[in-house]
Amino acid sequence: KNQVEQSPQSLIILEGKNCTLQCNYTVSPFSNLRWYKQDTGRGPVSLTIMTFSENTKSNGRYTATLDADTKQSSLHITASQLSDSASYICVVSEDPNNAGNMLTFGGGTRLMVKP
Amino acid sequence: NAGVTQTPKFQVLKTGQSMTLQCAQDMNHEYMSWYRQDPGMGLRLIHYSVGAGITDQGEVPNGYNVSRSTTEDFPLRLLSAAPSQTSVYFCASTRDGVTAASYNSPLHFGNGTRLTVT
Repeated sequence: KNQVEQSPQSLIILEGKNCTLQCNYTVSPFSNLRWYKQDTGRGPVSLTIMTFSENTKSNGRYTATLDADTKQSSLHITASQLSDSASYICVVSEDPNNAGNMLTFGGGTRLMVKP
Repeated sequence: NAGVTQTPKFQVLKTGQSMTLQCAQDMNHEYMSWYRQDPGMGLRLIHYSVGAGITDQGEVPNGYNVSRSTTEDFPLRLLSAAPSQTSVYFCASTRDGVTAASYNSPLHFGNGTRLTVT
């Protein structure tokens, strides 16, 4: 069964510090990997999408990396701000030519940034 | 554009009651889907639709019905609510008409409906 595991489950950091969130997956065949940010009481919002040929992708202070060989991804947040407090969800897509409409979602990492 | 709009935001039902969760999008997206989000678990797909008149089951379809009579609307019906259906429900859409797994087609989510079944 396809799985996406995220670590840590929760994280508390001080404002201005950096942090890295991890995502390991077993989805095969692989199409792309996405990171979403979900604020409390809101729906997830897309941060980045990467295919197997992309190693790094940035969106402002967010930088995602992908190692398709080891099936690992990370999301690095630089100079954290209070508004970064949210859950971060890793989502992996199967090859769209292979099967239906299945995306596998990780359970998320809940980040709290304290002043 | 309003994006994806879900109503109601909160709902409490008694066991056995039925109700419909509404979802509408104004982006002319072909693909729409319903997910449930439970604590400690990833979002799980309930039903999805690749266009008006076409629906299919996802990972956890039991106890739920959907229909897609227009491109804009994709309501989710709970036939006979059970406590196990207590969850937060998200509707999502994307432009891709064939599969939501395609590159560069991020899902656009609504802000959810928090449902409690007692």
